[in-house]
Amino acid sequence: AQSVTQLGSHVSVSEGALVLLRCNYSSSVPPYLFWYVQYPNQGLQLLLKYTSAATLVKGINGFEAEFKKSETSFHLTKPSAHMSDAAEYFCAVSYTGRRALTFGSGTRLQVQP
Amino acid sequence: NAGVTQTPKFRVLKTGQSMTLLCAQDMNHEYMYWYRQDPGMGLRLIHYSVGEGTTAKGEVPDGYNVSRLKKQNFLLGLESAAPSQTSVYFCASSASAGSPDTQYFGPGTRLTVL
Repeated sequence: AQSVTQLGSHVSVSEGALVLLRCNYSSSVPPYLFWYVQYPNQGLQLLLKYTSAATLVKGINGFEAEFKKSETSFHLTKPSAHMSDAAEYFCAVSYTGRRALTFGSGTRLQVQP
Repeated sequence: NAGVTQTPKFRVLKTGQSMTLLCAQDMNHEYMYWYRQDPGMGLRLIHYSVGEGTTAKGEVPDGYNVSRLKKQNFLLGLESAAPSQTSVYFCASSASAGSPDTQYFGPGTRLTVL
């Protein structure tokens, strides 16, 4: 069985500060990993995905994530937070042959001026 | 190109009432999914479909039924609504070619069961 753990249900940063959102996964087979963002009252939008090519994945809006197999982690980072980054972020996992995603519980990011 | 659309956006039901949520996609995707989102629990898969005329159970299927009579539509039914089904429901779709596929999500339906 696979699962995803997101550490910290709420994260608050100052505008211009580093954003770090944590995601750890458990999977018995090589995973595919995703980060989605949800703005208030909207659906989910893909930020980036890991597909077993490069371990450092760049996404939209300046976000990136690094796959670390030894740590079973896929943390999301952005060097400098903007007010527009305030949203809820979800990490998700899948694997070959399984189309559906297993989501983490989400992390709400607040950006303080 | 509208992507994934969901109807209705909001609905309030009384316990025991029935309703159908409609999801439509115009990207010619083979795969469609229904998720529910509850506070602190992320999204959980209810049912999914790998093609027209096929459906399968997800993680939390009890109390729901689905149908995929047309490739572009995926319907989620609640035969006898319960307060525990108060949630936000999201539909998603993905293409069949390649793996892993990006799932594209609709804007959601907020359902309240009194």
